[in-house]
Amino acid sequence: RKEVEQDPGPFNVPEGATVAFNCTYSNSASQSFFWYRQDCRKEPKLLMSVYSSGNEDGRFTAQLNRASQYISLLIRDSKLSDSATYLCVVNGLSNTDKLIFGTGTRLQVFP
Amino acid sequence: NAGVMQNPRHLVRRRGQEARLRCSPVKGHSHVYWYRQLPEEGLKFMVYLQKENIIDESGMPKERFSAEFPKEGPSILRIQQVVRGDSAAYFCASSPELGGELFFGEGSRLTVL
Repeated sequence: RKEVEQDPGPFNVPEGATVAFNCTYSNSASQSFFWYRQDCRKEPKLLMSVYSSGNEDGRFTAQLNRASQYISLLIRDSKLSDSATYLCVVNGLSNTDKLIFGTGTRLQVFP
Repeated sequence: NAGVMQNPRHLVRRRGQEARLRCSPVKGHSHVYWYRQLPEEGLKFMVYLQKENIIDESGMPKERFSAEFPKEGPSILRIQQVVRGDSAAYFCASSPELGGELFFGEGSRLTVL
């Protein structure tokens, strides 16, 4: 089983739509969870951290389900500028706590 | 407030040559990570370093690849005798603390002819 698994997509949605991505992780001891965004041929950038209680930042909501070992990202009122690859990130299995990236979910928002 | 600086941004090498990629972390960050991204694939962890120490190199190929983060100067990822399969984007990231947010450089794109 992969350490972090994501549906690669692509998710093609119209402007204004609500879209949700899920990600599962294998290490039940993981403590740190993040969503990063990567635009084509650019470096990944932190979108938001994911906290146990769930957190919201504008149109973006992240949630963590420890029992089922998955995290989710919800994007409301999609904009064209949201088109990107969304990377699920979890701290890894080793005691060095390195961050493990999922392969990403591609989102394409169309007019 | 410079972010993570990587150079060169683009590097072309012929098979058998050496590639050296440099990374200067955010000022004050002592944790440096190298990731590799093959075309149309996700980021793969390669190595995690702190000043003068390799902490975790579990993602590094056993041969031809090495990394260092000296007391003074940037972190270096060195690839000897490059092969076409080494063509990828190599991203460096730094963090102020273990397991914290990673700040990425713009990456170094290696093309092996």
